Amino acid sequence: QKEVEQNSGPLSVPEGAIASLNCTYSDRGSQSFFWYRQYSGKSPELIMFIYSNGDKEDGRFTAQLNKASQYVSLLIRDSQPSDSATYLCAVKYSGAGSYQLTFGKGTKLSVIP
Amino acid sequence: DTAVSQTPKYLVTQMGNDKSIKCEQNLGHDTMYWYKQDSKKFLKIMFSYNNKELIINETVPNRFSPKSPDKAHLNLHINSLELGDSAVYFCASSQGSHLYGYTFGSGTRLTVV
Repeated sequence: QKEVEQNSGPLSVPEGAIASLNCTYSDRGSQSFFWYRQYSGKSPELIMFIYSNGDKEDGRFTAQLNKASQYVSLLIRDSQPSDSATYLCAVKYSGAGSYQLTFGKGTKLSVIP
Repeated sequence: DTAVSQTPKYLVTQMGNDKSIKCEQNLGHDTMYWYKQDSKKFLKIMFSYNNKELIINETVPNRFSPKSPDKAHLNLHINSLELGDSAVYFCASSQGSHLYGYTFGSGTRLTVV
């Protein structure tokens, strides 16, 4: 059973602070890692992906991957109220001839003005 | 142009009925998926399908069946609807590689009464 674990939150941070979202996964054969943002009543939207150990930065977002520890994180710098959403960690692995995304249960982030 | 479109957006129906949800993607992706998101926001894969293979999550009741007339369409048929089928159903598409995330449709909120 391939599992992806996230703290459900809610995680509350003040506006302008750094929000840190964490995720662990069970399958060492996992190949790629994704962060999705989902606003209430909307569909998941891809915001970051990472394949290699280390950090990957895109604007205010930084994804971090440590395959030895089976750990992925997302940092949001200068958090804004518009960042308030549920953040879903997803892990892609190859199984039975196809690539499938397994999602964590999501962390709800609230940015307080 | 909408990349992944689902219809209908809302579906209210009585127990025991049969219903279908349609999904179309214009991204040229070779793999399509159906996910179920329950009331706790957990996204769980139901099916993945490309022109070669249908992968069924073993926990999905056989009342659910995907139908793909061509590469750009993957419809979901549900027979004998039950109260527990109430959820949001998301269609998604991707290239069949570990390098790509999924693009999601806007979702269909199914309510069984």
